[in-house]
Amino acid sequence: GESVGLHLPTLSVQEGDNSIINCAYSNSASDYFIWYKQESGKGPQFIIDIRSNMDKRQGQRVTVLLNKTVKHLSLQIAATQPGDSAVYFCAENIGGGKLIFGQGTELSVKP
Amino acid sequence: DAGVIQSPRHEVTEMGQEVTLRCKPISGHNSLFWYRQTMMRGLELLIYFNNNVPIDDSGMPEDRFSAKMPNASFSTLKIQPSEPRDSAVYFCASSPLGGSFADQPQHFGDGTRLSIL
Repeated sequence: GESVGLHLPTLSVQEGDNSIINCAYSNSASDYFIWYKQESGKGPQFIIDIRSNMDKRQGQRVTVLLNKTVKHLSLQIAATQPGDSAVYFCAENIGGGKLIFGQGTELSVKP
Repeated sequence: DAGVIQSPRHEVTEMGQEVTLRCKPISGHNSLFWYRQTMMRGLELLIYFNNNVPIDDSGMPEDRFSAKMPNASFSTLKIQPSEPRDSAVYFCASSPLGGSFADQPQHFGDGTRLSIL
Protein backbone atom coordinates (compact mmCIF):
# COMPACT_ATOMS: atom_id res chain seq x y z
CA GLY A 1 0.00 0.00 0.00
CA GLU A 2 1.00 3.62 -0.26
CA SER A 3 2.88 5.01 2.72
CA VAL A 4 1.97 8.35 4.22
CA GLY A 5 4.91 10.67 4.49
CA LEU A 6 5.55 13.63 6.67
CA HIS A 7 4.55 16.99 5.28
CA LEU A 8 7.54 19.29 5.17
CA PRO A 9 7.19 22.84 6.44
CA THR A 10 6.84 25.10 3.43
CA LEU A 11 8.01 28.65 2.92
CA SER A 12 6.60 30.53 -0.03
CA VAL A 13 8.23 33.79 -1.09
CA GLN A 14 8.05 36.20 -3.98
CA GLU A 15 10.99 36.39 -6.35
CA GLY A 16 13.36 39.11 -5.23
CA ASP A 17 12.32 38.96 -1.57
CA ASN A 18 14.60 37.71 1.18
CA SER A 19 13.99 34.24 2.64
CA ILE A 20 14.67 33.06 6.16
CA ILE A 21 14.67 29.36 6.93
CA ASN A 22 14.87 28.29 10.55
CA CYS A 23 16.18 25.18 12.25
CA ALA A 24 16.28 24.00 15.85
CA TYR A 25 19.04 21.57 16.71
CA SER A 26 19.11 19.11 19.54
CA ASN A 27 22.61 18.61 20.90
CA SER A 28 24.21 21.42 22.88
CA ALA A 29 27.62 19.79 22.31
CA SER A 30 27.37 20.05 18.51
CA ASP A 31 30.27 22.11 17.23
CA TYR A 32 29.71 22.37 13.51
CA PHE A 33 26.62 23.05 11.42
CA ILE A 34 25.87 22.84 7.73
CA TRP A 35 23.07 23.95 5.45
CA TYR A 36 22.24 21.81 2.43
CA LYS A 37 19.95 22.41 -0.53
CA GLN A 38 18.24 19.45 -2.17
CA GLU A 39 16.54 19.69 -5.54
CA SER A 40 14.18 17.04 -6.82
CA GLY A 41 16.01 13.91 -7.95
CA LYS A 42 19.36 15.09 -6.65
CA GLY A 43 21.50 14.69 -3.59
CA PRO A 44 21.89 17.36 -0.90
CA GLN A 45 24.19 20.14 -2.06
CA PHE A 46 26.45 21.98 0.38
CA ILE A 47 25.55 25.67 0.76
CA ILE A 48 27.34 27.07 3.79
CA ASP A 49 28.70 25.95 7.14
CA ILE A 50 29.47 27.52 10.50
CA ARG A 51 31.47 26.49 13.54
CA SER A 52 30.17 26.87 17.06
CA ASN A 53 32.71 29.59 17.88
CA MET A 54 30.97 31.89 15.40
CA ASP A 55 27.49 33.37 15.41
CA LYS A 56 27.33 34.57 11.82
CA ARG A 57 28.85 33.65 8.51
CA GLN A 58 28.17 35.08 5.08
CA GLY A 59 28.47 33.60 1.64
CA GLN A 60 27.24 34.67 -1.75
CA ARG A 61 23.62 35.76 -1.19
CA VAL A 62 23.40 33.51 1.89
CA THR A 63 23.98 34.15 5.57
CA VAL A 64 23.88 31.63 8.40
CA LEU A 65 23.15 32.73 11.95
CA LEU A 66 23.82 30.56 14.97
CA ASN A 67 22.27 31.12 18.40
CA LYS A 68 23.76 28.58 20.76
CA THR A 69 21.76 29.82 23.73
CA VAL A 70 18.51 28.60 22.23
CA LYS A 71 20.05 26.02 19.88
CA HIS A 72 18.77 27.75 16.78
CA LEU A 73 20.18 28.06 13.31
CA SER A 74 18.86 30.13 10.43
CA LEU A 75 19.64 30.50 6.75
CA GLN A 76 18.96 33.80 5.07
CA ILE A 77 18.82 33.99 1.29
CA ALA A 78 18.95 37.46 -0.21
CA ALA A 79 17.03 38.36 -3.37
CA THR A 80 15.50 34.91 -3.68
CA GLN A 81 15.39 33.52 -7.23
CA PRO A 82 13.28 30.76 -8.81
CA GLY A 83 16.41 28.59 -8.89
CA ASP A 84 16.46 28.70 -5.10
CA SER A 85 13.30 26.57 -4.96
CA ALA A 86 14.26 23.35 -3.21
CA VAL A 87 14.20 21.60 0.15
CA TYR A 88 16.70 23.01 2.64
CA PHE A 89 18.20 20.94 5.44
CA CYS A 90 20.24 21.94 8.42
CA ALA A 91 22.68 19.40 9.82
CA GLU A 92 24.61 19.30 13.08
CA ASN A 93 27.83 17.46 13.71
CA ILE A 94 27.35 15.50 16.92
CA GLY A 95 30.89 14.20 16.96
CA GLY A 96 33.03 11.67 15.15
CA GLY A 97 31.98 12.91 11.74
CA LYS A 98 28.32 12.04 12.30
CA LEU A 99 25.75 14.48 10.98
CA ILE A 100 22.15 14.62 12.18
CA PHE A 101 19.82 16.20 9.65
CA GLY A 102 16.71 18.23 10.32
CA GLN A 103 13.43 17.34 8.65
CA GLY A 104 13.86 19.98 5.96
CA THR A 105 11.94 23.04 4.79
CA GLU A 106 10.55 23.35 1.29
CA LEU A 107 11.18 26.76 -0.25
CA SER A 108 8.87 27.79 -3.07
CA VAL A 109 9.68 30.93 -5.02
CA LYS A 110 6.87 32.60 -6.93
CA PRO A 111 7.88 34.52 -10.06
CA ASP B 1 35.27 18.36 -11.14
CA ALA B 2 33.83 14.88 -10.66
CA GLY B 3 31.62 14.63 -7.62
CA VAL B 4 30.51 11.54 -5.76
CA ILE B 5 29.31 8.99 -8.30
CA GLN B 6 26.64 6.45 -7.46
CA SER B 7 25.24 3.58 -9.50
CA PRO B 8 22.72 2.55 -10.45
CA ARG B 9 20.53 5.65 -10.35
CA HIS B 10 17.41 3.55 -10.20
CA GLU B 11 16.86 -0.05 -9.16
CA VAL B 12 13.63 -2.00 -9.19
CA THR B 13 13.71 -5.58 -8.00
CA GLU B 14 11.58 -8.19 -6.38
CA MET B 15 11.47 -8.96 -2.71
CA GLY B 16 14.09 -11.49 -1.68
CA GLN B 17 16.62 -10.49 -4.32
CA GLU B 18 20.09 -9.24 -3.50
CA VAL B 19 20.71 -5.56 -4.19
CA THR B 20 24.15 -3.96 -4.52
CA LEU B 21 24.59 -0.20 -4.57
CA ARG B 22 27.89 1.33 -5.60
CA CYS B 23 29.72 4.52 -4.77
CA LYS B 24 32.86 6.24 -5.97
CA PRO B 25 33.86 9.03 -3.59
CA ILE B 26 35.58 12.25 -4.58
CA SER B 27 39.27 11.61 -5.20
CA GLY B 28 41.34 12.48 -2.15
CA HIS B 29 38.44 12.25 0.28
CA ASN B 30 39.18 9.91 3.17
CA SER B 31 35.74 9.56 4.72
CA LEU B 32 32.72 7.92 3.12
CA PHE B 33 29.16 7.84 4.38
CA TRP B 34 26.04 5.88 3.39
CA TYR B 35 22.62 7.42 4.07
CA ARG B 36 19.03 6.40 3.48
CA GLN B 37 16.28 8.93 2.79
CA THR B 38 12.57 8.28 3.17
CA MET B 39 9.59 10.58 3.61
CA MET B 40 8.83 9.05 6.99
CA ARG B 41 12.29 9.13 8.53
CA GLY B 42 14.15 11.77 6.55
CA LEU B 43 17.88 11.38 5.99
CA GLU B 44 19.49 8.73 8.19
CA LEU B 45 23.17 7.78 8.47
CA LEU B 46 23.66 4.05 7.99
CA ILE B 47 27.43 3.61 8.20
CA TYR B 48 30.62 5.54 7.63
CA PHE B 49 34.22 4.71 6.81
CA ASN B 50 37.45 6.51 7.52
CA ASN B 51 40.48 5.48 5.44
CA ASN B 52 38.49 2.46 4.21
CA VAL B 53 37.80 1.22 7.74
CA PRO B 54 34.21 1.09 9.05
CA ILE B 55 33.99 3.43 12.03
CA ASP B 56 30.32 3.40 12.99
CA ASP B 57 27.67 1.05 11.65
CA SER B 58 25.11 1.68 14.37
CA GLY B 59 22.67 3.03 11.79
CA MET B 60 22.58 -0.15 9.74
CA PRO B 61 19.03 -1.40 10.25
CA GLU B 62 19.56 -5.15 10.22
CA ASP B 63 21.97 -7.92 9.39
CA ARG B 64 20.48 -7.93 5.90
CA PHE B 65 22.49 -4.77 5.28
CA SER B 66 26.24 -4.82 4.78
CA ALA B 67 28.77 -2.33 3.46
CA LYS B 68 32.34 -2.64 2.27
CA MET B 69 35.08 -0.32 1.17
CA PRO B 70 37.82 -2.42 -0.45
CA ASN B 71 39.84 0.64 -1.53
CA ALA B 72 39.82 4.42 -1.34
CA SER B 73 37.84 4.84 -4.55
CA PHE B 74 35.01 2.35 -4.17
CA SER B 75 32.33 1.29 -1.71
CA THR B 76 29.28 -0.97 -1.87
CA LEU B 77 26.11 -1.24 0.17
CA LYS B 78 24.43 -4.61 -0.10
CA ILE B 79 20.97 -5.73 0.96
CA GLN B 80 20.32 -9.46 1.06
CA PRO B 81 17.52 -10.44 1.06
CA SER B 82 15.72 -7.24 0.14
CA GLU B 83 12.26 -6.38 1.49
CA PRO B 84 9.64 -3.80 0.38
CA ARG B 85 10.36 -1.66 3.45
CA ASP B 86 13.90 -1.15 2.16
CA SER B 87 12.50 1.01 -0.63
CA ALA B 88 14.13 4.44 -0.31
CA VAL B 89 16.73 6.69 -1.86
CA TYR B 90 20.23 5.71 -0.78
CA PHE B 91 22.93 8.36 -0.79
CA CYS B 92 26.66 8.13 -0.57
CA ALA B 93 28.70 11.11 0.63
CA SER B 94 32.40 11.76 1.09
CA SER B 95 34.52 14.31 2.87
CA PRO B 96 38.23 15.07 3.19
CA LEU B 97 39.96 14.04 6.36
CA GLY B 98 41.33 17.03 8.23
CA GLY B 99 42.71 17.44 11.71
CA SER B 100 39.15 17.08 12.90
CA PHE B 101 35.98 15.85 11.25
CA ALA B 102 34.31 18.96 12.54
CA ASP B 103 35.39 21.31 9.75
CA GLN B 104 34.69 19.28 6.68
CA PRO B 105 31.35 19.31 4.88
CA GLN B 106 30.16 16.09 3.31
CA HIS B 107 29.53 16.07 -0.42
CA PHE B 108 26.69 13.89 -1.67
CA GLY B 109 26.08 11.88 -4.79
CA ASP B 110 22.71 11.99 -6.54
CA GLY B 111 21.56 8.76 -4.94
CA THR B 112 20.11 5.42 -5.96
CA ARG B 113 16.31 5.23 -5.93
CA LEU B 114 15.53 1.69 -4.81
CA SER B 115 12.12 0.07 -5.17
CA ILE B 116 11.50 -3.41 -3.81
CA LEU B 117 8.31 -4.97 -5.11
